[in-house]
Amino acid sequence: NAGVTQTPKFQVLKTGQSMTLQCAQDMNHNSMYWYRQDPGMGLRLIYYSASEGTTDKGEVPNGYNVSRLNKREFSLRLESAAPSQTSVYFCATWTGANTGELFFGEGSRLTVL
Amino acid sequence: AQSVAQPEDQVNVAEGNPLTVKCTYSVSGNPYLFWYVQYPNRGLQFLLKYITGDNLVKGSYGFEAEFNKSQTSFHLKKPSALVSDSALYFCAVRDGKSGGYNKLIFGAGTRLAVHP
Repeated sequence: NAGVTQTPKFQVLKTGQSMTLQCAQDMNHNSMYWYRQDPGMGLRLIYYSASEGTTDKGEVPNGYNVSRLNKREFSLRLESAAPSQTSVYFCATWTGANTGELFFGEGSRLTVL
Repeated sequence: AQSVAQPEDQVNVAEGNPLTVKCTYSVSGNPYLFWYVQYPNRGLQFLLKYITGDNLVKGSYGFEAEFNKSQTSFHLKKPSALVSDSALYFCAVRDGKSGGYNKLIFGAGTRLAVHP
């Protein structure tokens, strides 16, 4: 089925450990995004990639890095995890031209102890 | 700067009654406005959007939203609520001037609880 696939779905880390969240889409969309969702704060944009080979910071980029490996894949890396990064992370793609909308993956729940 | 406010953390409504979930926004240019729904342990699903044109926008699952430029509001409505509508609803805005990328700013979300 066409869509946005995130792995892993669940992860528990200790403070200081590193990990990478993977996102892959098969919809041939140019733009990809990483958001985090925290209770009472809605979704906040971490990084986005307007097209293959480009990435830009969103609202809350500190502590994260991203790689747009190719058109399909956009990964989010935590180099040294902190408890404040406990959250649910969503990858999304933009469905079309300026009048499109975001299409989301199912999310990755990360807990940092 | 763009911002979105959802003034109610939770809305309670009886099944069969009309529902309204409120949203107000602030942008510098013409707004592109969106509503998304999130069911437990799932990603966000697109419901509807306003880009231009008719102020009343119809979307999925019988939902509609009314754009009001003077009040900078985009309230989500449904004439008759279902228990299955119970979920978390997010309003989002994109500045029509944002140019070469499409970045949405989300509200904090409103939990809708529909009681039998």
